[in-house]
Amino acid sequence: GDSVTQMEGPVTLSEEAFLTINCTYTATGYPSLFWYVQYPGEGLQLLLKATKADDKGSNKGFEATYRKETTSFHLEKGSVQVSDSAVYFCALSSNDYKLSFGAGTTVTVRA
Amino acid sequence: DTAVSQTPKYLVTQMGNDKSIKCEQNLGHDTMYWYKQDSKKFLKIMFSYNNKELIINETVPNRFSPKSPDKAHLNLHINSLELGDSAVYFCASSLWAAGRNTEAFFGQGTRLTVV
Repeated sequence: GDSVTQMEGPVTLSEEAFLTINCTYTATGYPSLFWYVQYPGEGLQLLLKATKADDKGSNKGFEATYRKETTSFHLEKGSVQVSDSAVYFCALSSNDYKLSFGAGTTVTVRA
Repeated sequence: DTAVSQTPKYLVTQMGNDKSIKCEQNLGHDTMYWYKQDSKKFLKIMFSYNNKELIINETVPNRFSPKSPDKAHLNLHINSLELGDSAVYFCASSLWAAGRNTEAFFGQGTRLTVV
């Protein structure tokens, strides 16, 4: 079945550092890929998405590119802020009625 | 105007009780879900409904019974609550289009604590 593997955390960074969270997937067909963010005490919010190979999703300074050849969708941000501290989830949607999530990566940004 | 709303936000109850969590979406989506998030933040699909029909039931104990009276609502009833049921439960919705789901929108979660 479909699955998502993402980099284990926790990740601790200083403000203005570069952030990368690795995500790889296994799926039949051509899935859509997503990154969600969960701030403390809140639900999940869509951060960005890509629906086909070579698409780049971007939002709030975060970017991820759908790489079919490496089955990856790594999340990057060039300069993180304290407000980016959250749990980040990579997810995919294939041809079944669910979104499959990675285990989540907790990111803490220190001032 | 909340897109996916679930109530209550917090639920503390004793073992053996029966409780319900309600979920409503006003996005016009046709697919709704229940996810369980454990203390390590791992998200596990419990149920998926499309147009009020149960599509996915991921080996959830039959103490959990979802009900979808219409496409905009998906409620979760839990019988004989156990300590291990303590978790955060998320409702979500999406649209089924072109053979796959669009992005899902999530509710704020219900933190269930069984004592």
